[in-house]
This record gives sequence, structure tokens and C-alpha cells, in this order.
Amino acid sequence: GENVEQHPSTLSVQEGDSAVIKCTYSDSASNYFPWYKQELGKRPQLIIDIRSNVGEKKDQRIAVTLNKTAKHFSLHITETQPEDSAVYFCAARSGGSYIPTFGRGTSLIVHP
Amino acid sequence: EAGVAQSPRYKIIEKRQSVAFWCNPISGHATLYWYQQILGQGPKLLIQFQNNGVVDDSQLPKDRFSAERLKGVDSTLKIQPAKLEDSAVYLCASSLDGGGQEQFFGPGTRLTVL
Repeated sequence: GENVEQHPSTLSVQEGDSAVIKCTYSDSASNYFPWYKQELGKRPQLIIDIRSNVGEKKDQRIAVTLNKTAKHFSLHITETQPEDSAVYFCAARSGGSYIPTFGRGTSLIVHP
Repeated sequence: EAGVAQSPRYKIIEKRQSVAFWCNPISGHATLYWYQQILGQGPKLLIQFQNNGVVDDSQLPKDRFSAERLKGVDSTLKIQPAKLEDSAVYLCASSLDGGGQEQFFGPGTRLTVL
């Protein structure tokens, strides 16, 4: 089955800095890669996603890049704000089984 | 638009007791997922339904966990008997279909097994 590794587990930045979270996956058949933000005690919410036919996608301060050859994808947050503090999860979904596999999460702390 | 509903929000039981969770997905969503999220980890898929059929339940501990979605809408997840290691948040999610559509998560049920 799919195996998703996520790094780092904790990321601490100053307000205004950029943050990068990286994930690798094992199943070359995976074709959908969503990123979720989960605030303490709340449900995960989709913030951006990318499909395997695209190399990069951007939405305001958030961008995701995908390298299919290397089987890794990354989340980039620019001009971080304290409200960006949360746990971020990457996930990979196989095109064959549609089963989503999540990474272990990155706790992002943005210091004012 | 109403979101995914779950109940109860919190449940505390003793080991070896039984517990059931309920989920009502977003109207019209064919695919329903149950996840287990242990503190400090990402959600782990337990079972995925497409309408009232099971797509995958390979990670469901079938000796103690069961789930059903009889009419293709609401779903229940049951644990019988519960173990200490079942303490987690149980998240229900739904999507229009399973083919790469966005999943919408419910608020979760926090289970504590003493």
C-alpha cells in the first residue's frame, strides 16, 4: 500500500517568514495530493490540492509543488501569520484504489 | 450548505464496553469515510463506503470494529469490546465520489477508553 512520509514534525517560524513542509510517497500510481490544516480541537480542512498532471499550484500565500519523478510534494506558505499556526497534513490518493493515506502531520508555530 | 454531522462529540467508556458513533454526510455525497486519529498522528482510514457498498476496509480491526451504511446515507461505526488503544478521535468525512473529489470532515467524536 501507499506510504506517506512528512517532514518536519514541528516547524517554528517568525511572522512574515516562509514555511515549507515536505512529503514523500511510495505509490507511483497516486495521482491526487491534498493538504489539510487542522487547528487544535477542530476538524481537518482542505487548504490546497494538486493532481499528478500539474507541477505547481498557487492560491494567494499558499503554493504546492509536485515532483512525480522523485515522488515528493511540498507545501509553501509565504508571509506567515500567527493564524497560520496549526497542524498541517499531506495526503496521497492512489488513482486505482482511491484510498487516501495521510502523513503524520507538521505542527507549524508562527511567532508574532 | 450543512456540513458533515457526527454524534456524540465526546464519549468516555471503560475497556471491554461497547460504543457506537453516528455520521450523517453532506447531502448527495456518495462516498463516506471513517478515520481514526490518534493524538499526534494523521488520520488513518478505517473504512470507505461508496453508497452502501464497502470500497475498502483493509485497516478496520474486524474482530472488534464494525461499520454499516445500510441506506447509502447515514453510517454507524461500532467498537465491541473497546480497548485502551482505541482512545482517539473518530472522524467521518464525505465526498461527492471517491475519484479525487474534496473530502469534507465532520467535527469528530473524541473517545476515551479507561
